[in-house]
Amino acid sequence: AQSVTQPDIHITVSEGASLELRCNYSYGATPYLFWYVQSPGQGLQLLLKYFSGDTLVQGIKGFEAEFKRSQSSFNLRKPSVHWSDAAEYFCAVGPKTSYDKVIFGPGTSLSVIP
Amino acid sequence: EAGVAQSPRYKIIEKRQSVAFWCNPISGHATLYWYQQILGQGPKLLIQFQNNGVVDDSQLPKDRFSAERLKGVDSTLKIQPAKLEDSAVYLCASSPATHTIYFGEGSWLTVV
Repeated sequence: AQSVTQPDIHITVSEGASLELRCNYSYGATPYLFWYVQSPGQGLQLLLKYFSGDTLVQGIKGFEAEFKRSQSSFNLRKPSVHWSDAAEYFCAVGPKTSYDKVIFGPGTSLSVIP
Repeated sequence: EAGVAQSPRYKIIEKRQSVAFWCNPISGHATLYWYQQILGQGPKLLIQFQNNGVVDDSQLPKDRFSAERLKGVDSTLKIQPAKLEDSAVYLCASSPATHTIYFGEGSWLTVV
C-alpha cells in the first residue's frame, strides 16, 4: 500500500541549531516528492519538490531535502533554524502518472526555542 | 498571480445543519482538489476534479458530502447534514500539469 511516514510527531530545537525532519515512503515506483509547511491558521505552502535528477534539492526559506532511493527517504534539512520556522511540516508523495492522488504524511510539528 | 481563494474562512454550525464552501482555483489550473484536515493530522483527499470531471472521490462520504465544479473553474463543497466529526479544516487546492499542488488558506468548520 502507498504510504508516507514521518516518524517524529514533534521536534523542538534551539534557534540557530540545525534541523532534520524525516520522511519515509512506501511506493511501487519512485514517486514525485514534496515538502510543505503549514503555519498556524494558514494553508500549506510548498517548500520544495523532487521530480528527477539531482537528489539534493533546494527550496525556499533556506531548506533543502535529499532523496535516497535505497532508503525510500526524503529528509528535510536546514542548517540554522529561525524562530519563524516554527510550524507543521508535511511530506507528500505523488505518482508520476497523471491524475493520481498525492498522499500526505501525518506531519511533524516544529517548535523553536529562542 | 492570485492564489487559491476560499470562503468562508470560518464557520460554526450545529450538527445536522448544512454548510457550503466555495473555492476559486489559480487561473489556468485544470486540476482542483478538496482536502479535509482534522486537527493534528495530514490532509486527506476528499475529491479531485480534472476540469469538469471527477478523477477520484473514493474517500468522499457521499451520503452527506457533495462537490461540484462548474465550467471547470470554481468549485463548491457541501456537507448536509453535518456531524460533530466533520469539524476540520477544508482545504481547496489546484495544480497545473506538474503535480505541484497549491493550497488555499482553508475553511475552518466547527460543528457543535
